[in-house]
Amino acid sequence: EPEVTQTPSHQVTQMGQEVILRCVPISNHLYFYWYRQILGQKVEFLVSFYNNEISEKSEIFDDQFSVERPDGSNFTLKIRSTKLEDSAMYFCASRPGTGAYEQYFGPGTRLTVT
Amino acid sequence: QKEVEQDPGPLSVPEGAIVSLNCTYSNSAFQYFMWYRQYSRKGPELLMYTYSSGNKEDGRFTAQVDKSSKYISLFIRDSQPSDSATYLCAMLPYGQNFVFGPGTRLSVLP
Repeated sequence: EPEVTQTPSHQVTQMGQEVILRCVPISNHLYFYWYRQILGQKVEFLVSFYNNEISEKSEIFDDQFSVERPDGSNFTLKIRSTKLEDSAMYFCASRPGTGAYEQYFGPGTRLTVT
Repeated sequence: QKEVEQDPGPLSVPEGAIVSLNCTYSNSAFQYFMWYRQYSRKGPELLMYTYSSGNKEDGRFTAQVDKSSKYISLFIRDSQPSDSATYLCAMLPYGQNFVFGPGTRLSVLP
């Protein structure tokens, strides 16, 4: 069964460093998402991406964040200068297309900023 | 008032029990409803989705939506210890993005 994959599973970085989180969405899906979950809190929407551009972003997704689909399979989230409060699980999700709204999540990347 | 509310639990039930998990919401624009299961430190796993009021059944799971009351439920029949997880409801209005509930932690005791 197709699934969303994410790498790395755990990333430790120092405050101020740049990190790139990688995702491979399900191959025939058209919409891609990043979410964040701080430990013990709810899943929060960061950004949605369709047709090679951001379609919506939350107030969390400030200028320190960017997303890219560099080729036909990968979808990345970059945090330019990490802060302690960026420590969280980051989930990538994808959904098939227009008329199908269910999203399929990857296993997540645990980001620890020290 | 929060957009989506869920009882955080924990909810403990004996193996074999019927479990009822619920979410209420305030935004009448929500059109699409999903239930996810999340094991500790794992990604949310899609269990059920429904786009209309009424019931939808899949194996041991039944999703129920009552748009007039702004209330959705997930029923689990013959619950198993492997069902122990956090259950998240998620919903979205047409053309916008998911809003998740905070999740209900379920523990099924052998």
